[in-house]
Amino acid sequence: AQSVSQHNHHVILSEAASLELGCNYSYGGTVNLFWYVQYPGQHLQLLLKYFSGDPLVKGIKGFEAEFIKSKFSFNLRKPSVQWSDTAEYFCAVNAIRRSQGNLIFGKGTKLSVKP
Amino acid sequence: EAGVAQSPRYKIIEKRQSVAFWCNPISGHATLYWYQQILGQGPKLLIQFQNNGVVDDSQLPKDRFSAERLKGVDSTLKIQPAKLEDSAVYLCASSRNEDTEAFFGQGTRLTVV
Repeated sequence: AQSVSQHNHHVILSEAASLELGCNYSYGGTVNLFWYVQYPGQHLQLLLKYFSGDPLVKGIKGFEAEFIKSKFSFNLRKPSVQWSDTAEYFCAVNAIRRSQGNLIFGKGTKLSVKP
Repeated sequence: EAGVAQSPRYKIIEKRQSVAFWCNPISGHATLYWYQQILGQGPKLLIQFQNNGVVDDSQLPKDRFSAERLKGVDSTLKIQPAKLEDSAVYLCASSRNEDTEAFFGQGTRLTVV
């Protein structure tokens, strides 16, 4: 069965620290990969996505993610976090034959950034 | 551009009661999704519509859950009868078509007591 694992439930960082959130997926075929973010009290928003090509994908607000096919991983990174990055982050996948919104999500990682 | 609208924002019902949630997608969006997000977990797809037709309802518990999108615009999701384990946030999302990004609403938080 397809699944997505996010390694950290809750990450606490100070401002300006570097961030890396882990994501691994299990699926027998080719997938598209996504990171979504949910700021407190707001709706889920797309942060970035990978379909093909350069495995290093840049998203909004200085976030990037690297797809490593051999490790079935799609880790999210940011060199220097800000207090406003406090949110919950969800990794998601879908099979390429499925619609972009037909997603399997991980359990999410809550990021708290201390000012 | 207005986002995906959902109502109500919160609902508390007793077990065995019925409940309905409403979703108004972004104007012009043909594809509509309903997700269930239980506390501590990621969203799980319940059903996907393309216009007024069902594309994927493989994870919808059809003995108690139903959804419709009669005119290909608004959609309702119903639970009848509700169980305690149905307590969750129900998210609606829409996209212009199947090959484009999905935009999520703020969800309806259901508590079954």
